[in-house]
Amino acid sequence: AQSVSQHNHHVILSEAASLELGCNYSYGGTVNLFWYVQYPGQHLQLLLKYFSGDPLVKGIKGFEAEFIKSKFSFNLRKPSVQWSDTAEYFCAVGSSNTGKLIFGQGTTLQVKP
Amino acid sequence: NAGVTQTPKFQVLKTGQSMTLQCAQDMNHEYMSWYRQDPGMGLRLIHYSVGAGITDQGEVPNGYNVSRSTTEDFPLRLLSAAPSQTSVYFCASRMYAGGRETQYFGPGTRLLVL
Repeated sequence: AQSVSQHNHHVILSEAASLELGCNYSYGGTVNLFWYVQYPGQHLQLLLKYFSGDPLVKGIKGFEAEFIKSKFSFNLRKPSVQWSDTAEYFCAVGSSNTGKLIFGQGTTLQVKP
Repeated sequence: NAGVTQTPKFQVLKTGQSMTLQCAQDMNHEYMSWYRQDPGMGLRLIHYSVGAGITDQGEVPNGYNVSRSTTEDFPLRLLSAAPSQTSVYFCASRMYAGGRETQYFGPGTRLLVL
């Protein structure tokens, strides 16, 4: 069965600290990989996505993620976080065959000013 | 384009009541889906549709019905609401081209079942 696991449930950082959020997935077929962000009181917004090609993808607001196929991982990174990055982050895996999108449990990021 | 719209934004129901959550998109997307979001559990897929007249179950379909009579609309029905269905519900539509996809999410409906 498809599954997505996010290792960190709640992360607290100070401004300017570096961020890495872990995401591992389990799926046997071709997958598309996504990171979504949900700011307080808002709906989900796409941060970045990977379909094929360069495994290092860059998204909005300085975020990037690296797809490591051998580790079934798609970790999200940002070199220097800002207070405005406080939000919940979701990793998701989409099947290119069925179109289903499976989400991880989410990671709450709190950035202290 | 209005994107993906959902109504209502907030609803309170009593146990046993029925209601329909509306979802519409004006992007001519074939694929639409419903998720529920609960603390610590991320988003879980309830039902999805790959086109008008075609629906299928997701991870947590029990207690919910869907239909897809048009490309634009994908309503979610709760026939007999239960407190366990208190959640935030998101509708999404998908753009799919050349093996690549992006899902667009609606603003959500907050449902409280007493």
